[in-house]
Amino acid sequence: SQKIEQNSEALNIQEGKTATLTCNYTNYSPAYLQWYRQDPGRGPVFLLLIRENEKEKRKERLKVTFDTTLKQSLFHITASQPADSATYLCALDRSNDYKLSFGAGTTVTVRA
Amino acid sequence: GAGVSQSPRYKVAKRGQDVALRCDPISGHVSLFWYQQALGQGPEFLTYFQNEAQLDKSGLPSDRFFAERPEGSVSTLKIQRTQQEDSAVYLCASSFDPSGGRTDTQYFGPGTRLTVL
Repeated sequence: SQKIEQNSEALNIQEGKTATLTCNYTNYSPAYLQWYRQDPGRGPVFLLLIRENEKEKRKERLKVTFDTTLKQSLFHITASQPADSATYLCALDRSNDYKLSFGAGTTVTVRA
Repeated sequence: GAGVSQSPRYKVAKRGQDVALRCDPISGHVSLFWYQQALGQGPEFLTYFQNEAQLDKSGLPSDRFFAERPEGSVSTLKIQRTQQEDSAVYLCASSFDPSGGRTDTQYFGPGTRLTVL
């Protein structure tokens, strides 16, 4: 069956360090992969989209990689700040379909 | 409006009651999605509209769930005879992309937290 797995443990890091989150998937062949941020009591907010033919994408302090051979995406937050504390969700498209399928999310806490 | 709005933000229902959850998408957005999010989980797809047409309702958990978007803008998710397992946050998202938001940003509302007692 199709499965999306994100870091099972919450991530606690010191301000200024880099947070690295993983998103692994099985039995998918996504053409696109998206990352969202969700704060408590709020809906997810889109951060980045990466296509299957793109190896890496950057936006300010965020970097996403997409390895279709390993079936994995890595999401990096560099020079992390306490304001980056949130839950980060990866979402995959399902080919020939309108849906996005989401992972369970990884909660990041950045300590000052 | 500036973003997707949902109402009510919180709803408490007694088991067996019917509830209606409203979504106001961003004006001009063609695609509209409903998701269900359980505590500690990611959003799970429920249904998808392209304008007023409901193109996919495969994620609706039972025939007690019904969604509509009669004029291609505001959408309502109705749950009949609510059960405790229906307790969750219900998220609405919209996208300008008529292909369903796969290649475009989905803009989410704040969600409605439904608690069934």
